[in-house]
Amino acid sequence: AQSVAQPEDQVNVAEGNPLTVKCTYSVSGNPYLFWYVQYPNRGLQFLLKYITGDNLVKGSYGFEAEFNKSQTSFHLKKPSALVSDSALYFCAVRIDGGATNKLIFGTGTLLAVQP
Amino acid sequence: DGGITQSPKYLFRKEGQNVTLSCEQNLNHDAMYWYRQDPGQGLRLIYYSQIVNDFQKGDIAEGYSVSREKKESFPLTVTSAQKNPTAFYLCASTPAGGDRRNEQFFGPGTRLTVL
Repeated sequence: AQSVAQPEDQVNVAEGNPLTVKCTYSVSGNPYLFWYVQYPNRGLQFLLKYITGDNLVKGSYGFEAEFNKSQTSFHLKKPSALVSDSALYFCAVRIDGGATNKLIFGTGTLLAVQP
Repeated sequence: DGGITQSPKYLFRKEGQNVTLSCEQNLNHDAMYWYRQDPGQGLRLIYYSQIVNDFQKGDIAEGYSVSREKKESFPLTVTSAQKNPTAFYLCASTPAGGDRRNEQFFGPGTRLTVL
């Protein structure tokens, strides 16, 4: 069965420090991987995606993620965190060649950036 | 939140009542989705529709119903059979083609509380 795991419920980081939000996946086939961000009582906003090509993907607001096929991971990173980055982050996966765009979401990681 | 609107933003319902959540998009997207979000559980797929007059059950369809009579509209009815309906409900859509065909675009959500 396909699944996505976000092993940390919460990540705390000081403003200006680098941040990493972890995501691992389990799929049969080539994965399409996504990161979304959610601010309180709002919908999800797209950050970035990996479909094919370079393993390092750059997205919105200075975020990037690295696809690692051998470790089945797609960790979200940012070199210097901002207080405004504090939000709930979701990793998601869908199957390449699938008949639909159905996504499987992780349980989310709350990022708290302290000033 | 793009061109997807959900109404109302907050909804209160008494036990035993059916209630319908609205989702409208003006993005000309073909596929639409309904998710339920509960704390610590991420997003779970309720129903999805890839084309007008067709829809499929997601992972947690029991107690819910949908219709897709128009391309731009995908209303969700939470019936009295849904045992624990209090949650945050998110609607999403996906274009059929173009560079963003693999992404889901989310509405702002409706928070349903059963009293």
